[in-house]
Amino acid sequence: DTAVSQTPKYLVTQMGNDKSIKCEQNLGHDTMYWYKQDSKKFLKIMFSYNNKELIINETVPNRFSPKSPDKAHLNLHINSLELGDSAVYFCASSQDFGQGSGYTFGSGTRLTVV
Amino acid sequence: GENVEQHPSTLSVQEGDSAVIKCTYSDSASNYFPWYKQELGKRPQLIIDIRSNVGEKKDQRIAVTLNKTAKHFSLHITETQPEDSAVYFCAAGVFSGGYNKLIFGAGTRLAVHP
Repeated sequence: DTAVSQTPKYLVTQMGNDKSIKCEQNLGHDTMYWYKQDSKKFLKIMFSYNNKELIINETVPNRFSPKSPDKAHLNLHINSLELGDSAVYFCASSQDFGQGSGYTFGSGTRLTVV
Repeated sequence: GENVEQHPSTLSVQEGDSAVIKCTYSDSASNYFPWYKQELGKRPQLIIDIRSNVGEKKDQRIAVTLNKTAKHFSLHITETQPEDSAVYFCAAGVFSGGYNKLIFGAGTRLAVHP
């Protein structure tokens, strides 16, 4: 039973389109994240939610809008997709945000904008 | 600002040799230092972590050391095997805006040759 699951695994779309990526965790964790991994493998935090509340927004363009309907789900909607949005997007969750703890990552969504 | 530097970016060793990856962090308040392994096309997975009140931690063939004064931490893999080939990321837990977040290094691509 997958702990952090993301859908879709692959997403190919044209510039200007709007797309969504979904993430669900069944670990009972309070905190969820979105990370972007570029072609050079660099992992950069985008957003973090703690118990459905946005707590980190790392100056991501407002074309990216996260939504957390409950603490087990964190979705990412992207408007007006651009070529530079092509990357692998990882969802992650952690238990103890205040103390610092390890993340469990989802399997990633490879987004290709053409 | 918050920064984690990781070296080397690529590392090639013969099977059975040891591999060492080094990281430095900028925020002296960082208190949590995990290491992740990412195999090709897979998600990053936590392999070992260390907290700031500990200087060294070992788990079978992998060990992590932390020097808080110098703001350095390192991953040591002994008796390397071909299945150790992957990208390894260090990270530092940084306290910002009332919450901890992980800042990742740029990654080290380790190749273990039989």
